[in-house]
Amino acid sequence: DQQVKQNSPSLSVQEGRISILNCDYTNSMFDYFLWYKKYPAEGPTFLISISSIKDKNEDGRFTVFLNKSAKHLSLHIVPSQPGDSAVYFCAATYDGTSYGKLTFGQGTILTVHP
Amino acid sequence: GAVVSQHPSWVICKSGTSVKIECRSLDFQATTMFWYRQFPKQSLMLMATSNEGSKATYEQGVEKDKFLINHASLTLSTLTVTSAHPEDSSFYICSATGLASQETQYFGPGTRLLVL
Repeated sequence: DQQVKQNSPSLSVQEGRISILNCDYTNSMFDYFLWYKKYPAEGPTFLISISSIKDKNEDGRFTVFLNKSAKHLSLHIVPSQPGDSAVYFCAATYDGTSYGKLTFGQGTILTVHP
Repeated sequence: GAVVSQHPSWVICKSGTSVKIECRSLDFQATTMFWYRQFPKQSLMLMATSNEGSKATYEQGVEKDKFLINHASLTLSTLTVTSAHPEDSSFYICSATGLASQETQYFGPGTRLLVL
């Protein structure tokens, strides 16, 4: 049972444009959501997170939006840069923290073309 | 940020042998370590959670006698795949969190296991 889903396996974007990565979840008990970025041969690194009591969180070029009624979150990267090319995972937890048990999506490969 | 290492980065073994994977937190004390497994084109799936000095907690469907986890110190956790079979071939990745890494898990680079 895939409780966190990233339905787009890949996304290709031109440098300078917006990248939008999507994630859906089914478990309404999830109350904290995170995005991780992963380069080849490296472990995932934390990017940005959002609590279920918010609908938006922004950090520089990265913004995460949460739509609880639709059980949907998205990561916006503006402007996209070639160095953003990586695999992006969304993850969710129901203990309100990012250091507890995480449930991951399958990942989306983002390619940003110069 | 904090650094977590894994060793080996990849391993090939014969069916029936045991393989040990190490996960180390290099610059912080990891009170909790997590072990994940990722099959091709699938998500990272949590296998078990280990707290230093206590027995690991395994997720449903994960055989604790097959995947032995030891978290004997605040900087080291090991995962031993016992009597490995080809279906155990996967990407194993650990993460760690602790007092100095509050509110985030730091991940190791992963270990690719191939069982022939």
